[in-house]
Amino acid sequence: GQNIDQPTEMTATEGAIVQINCTYQTSGFNGLFWYQQHAGEAPTFLSYNVLDGLEEKGRFSSFLSRSKGYSYLLLKELQMKDSASYLCAVRVRGAGNNRKLIWGLGTSLAVNP
Amino acid sequence: ETGVTQTPRHLVMGMTNKKSLKCEQHLGHNAMYWYKQSAKKPLELMFVYSLEERVENNSVPSRFSPECPNSSHLFLHLHTLQPEDSALYLCASSTGTSGGAAYEQYFGPGTRLTVT
Repeated sequence: GQNIDQPTEMTATEGAIVQINCTYQTSGFNGLFWYQQHAGEAPTFLSYNVLDGLEEKGRFSSFLSRSKGYSYLLLKELQMKDSASYLCAVRVRGAGNNRKLIWGLGTSLAVNP
Repeated sequence: ETGVTQTPRHLVMGMTNKKSLKCEQHLGHNAMYWYKQSAKKPLELMFVYSLEERVENNSVPSRFSPECPNSSHLFLHLHTLQPEDSALYLCASSTGTSGGAAYEQYFGPGTRLTVT
């Protein structure tokens, strides 16, 4: 089956660095996404990895190891507005030539002053 | 403003009612999606439309009926729902559903549905 695991909750301090891990067991891996979702709002795209390594995008970086089925999202210089749920999603090959996303439960991050 | 709008934002309906959720995307995308988001559960993909053709139906009960009249609009028709159908229903769009290039899904704000 297809499975994605993330920690349910994390807490960090403003200005600090936090790493949110995601492990997956899927077939037909075709890329990994991270989304941010504030309470009551739509998920918004943060990053995409399809090859091994680190992708940096401002304060946010995402890492992928396909052999280990592992990714992490690194948030630097945390701000209060970073308090949100962070969703890990794996794209897999579906029927025909289509792709679909398998979603994790999300990690709820609380940033404290 | 994400370019994907959904109406209504909140909906309360009885189990015998019929209602419809509407989604509109202004991004020129070719694929649209319906997701269900419930507490303590991952996002559940319900339906996928590519170029107005349904390409995925994830064993969704027939009381949910999607409609995609054109590439910019997507509806979810609801009838005889159950209380366990109460959830946040999210619409999303993307440039496509296939191919090697990365694509990201743009989400609407969702409709918070409560079935009484």
